[in-house]
Amino acid sequence: GAGVSQSPSNKVTEKGKDVELRCDPISGHTALYWYRQSLGQGLEFLIYFQGNSAPDKSGLPSDRFSAERTGGSVSTLTIQRTQQEDSAVYLCASSPGTANEKLFFGSGTQLSVL
Amino acid sequence: SQQGEEDPQALSIQEGENATMNCSYKTSINNLQWYRQNSGRGLVHLILIRSNEREKHSGRLRVTLDTSKKSSSLLITASRAADTASYFCATDRYGNNRLAFGKGNQVVVIP
Repeated sequence: GAGVSQSPSNKVTEKGKDVELRCDPISGHTALYWYRQSLGQGLEFLIYFQGNSAPDKSGLPSDRFSAERTGGSVSTLTIQRTQQEDSAVYLCASSPGTANEKLFFGSGTQLSVL
Repeated sequence: SQQGEEDPQALSIQEGENATMNCSYKTSINNLQWYRQNSGRGLVHLILIRSNEREKHSGRLRVTLDTSKKSSSLLITASRAADTASYFCATDRYGNNRLAFGKGNQVVVIP
């Protein structure tokens, strides 16, 4: 596709359940980012992948959060034992190089934990 | 911690007027970028200004950067209803694997 694709666009889950969020970056983009945005707030950095290098996981808020990127392309963000405070829009972005320049964002996944 | 604090937080203007919003940051940067977000979903990159630049233009957008004051401003000239959105500044620090985003400015352009 032409842009960054995220699925699902909306996810409603019960507290304590696990969820998986998917991101398809733009083909050829080596950098992939996950951010989280709570209602009316700015973007909170979660994790960064660059090519085959070890990811920068320094933004993950707890060990319930994990992410992987297979084959340098598709990425999955997993949240285990979801809590109500995990409710947010989860945004994925990709960029073509190693510099943090011009990120291309997907439309996000709205996660609601009941 | 997030760098970038936009000021003011909300702005309501008439179509055709100019909109100005500011952003301040705390540490040295490589570049500063502005993004637009419609309806609380994906962000769109608007403009990037490097630390050695002072002003940049793109269409109706004008961005300035004052590294001595650690601040930037975004000016949208001749605003349109379609400019209604949230605008975020984001800073890139050397060696940092992320952009640090501010909390955003909500701009409403009244037709």
